[in-house]
Amino acid sequence: GAGVSQSPRYKVAKRGQDVALRCDPISGHVSLFWYQQALGQGPEFLTYFQNEAQLDKSGLPSDRFFAERPEGSVSTLKIQRTQQEDSAVYLCASSSRSGPTDTQYFGPGTRLTVL
Amino acid sequence: RKEVEQDPGPFNVPEGATVAFNCTYSNSASQSFFWYRQDCRKEPKLLMSVYSSGNEDGRFTAQLNRASQYISLLIRDSKLSDSATYLCVVFGGSYIPTFGRGTSLIVHP
Repeated sequence: GAGVSQSPRYKVAKRGQDVALRCDPISGHVSLFWYQQALGQGPEFLTYFQNEAQLDKSGLPSDRFFAERPEGSVSTLKIQRTQQEDSAVYLCASSSRSGPTDTQYFGPGTRLTVL
Repeated sequence: RKEVEQDPGPFNVPEGATVAFNCTYSNSASQSFFWYRQDCRKEPKLLMSVYSSGNEDGRFTAQLNRASQYISLLIRDSKLSDSATYLCVVFGGSYIPTFGRGTSLIVHP
């Protein structure tokens, strides 16, 4: 079946531009996570949704970052007034339930480059 | 001190070798542990969960040492296709996972 998809796969933005990154989780998956992965590092947690509810956004680096999942399926991560330090791969993952022992299935990521 | 620490490597081993990685964690309340594999420029994929009693899946063995707060991954009879970055993941009693930075493994002929 279809896995997690993300779009765009690559995004180049000029500093100060706003960007929107989309995640389509596996159909029916309750939990959705966003991560930021810098080169040579592991994924860093950004935010977590259970259905449409954003239960935790403690990992968002600043108030320029905003995420939503209005209907409990597709999610969008928006970054306003992008800065060079925002350059990274943004990964989305979904899991079928809400427990921490559930396998997370990752999308291919969006590679954001801010010039 | 980071919550989850891994030696970044790279570990450079010949085919057929046995190699082991450790991952230490700082939160003694951590409940769930996993190993993920990430190929270059690809997304992470679950390799195996880590159970308290230890578990094995083919050539891979994962163990948990709660007293010393680390998990380990042992790979026997390494294959060229095992070359990847191995990420440990720790859940500290909540649904928020903490990833290590990963350990790079290179298996050469």
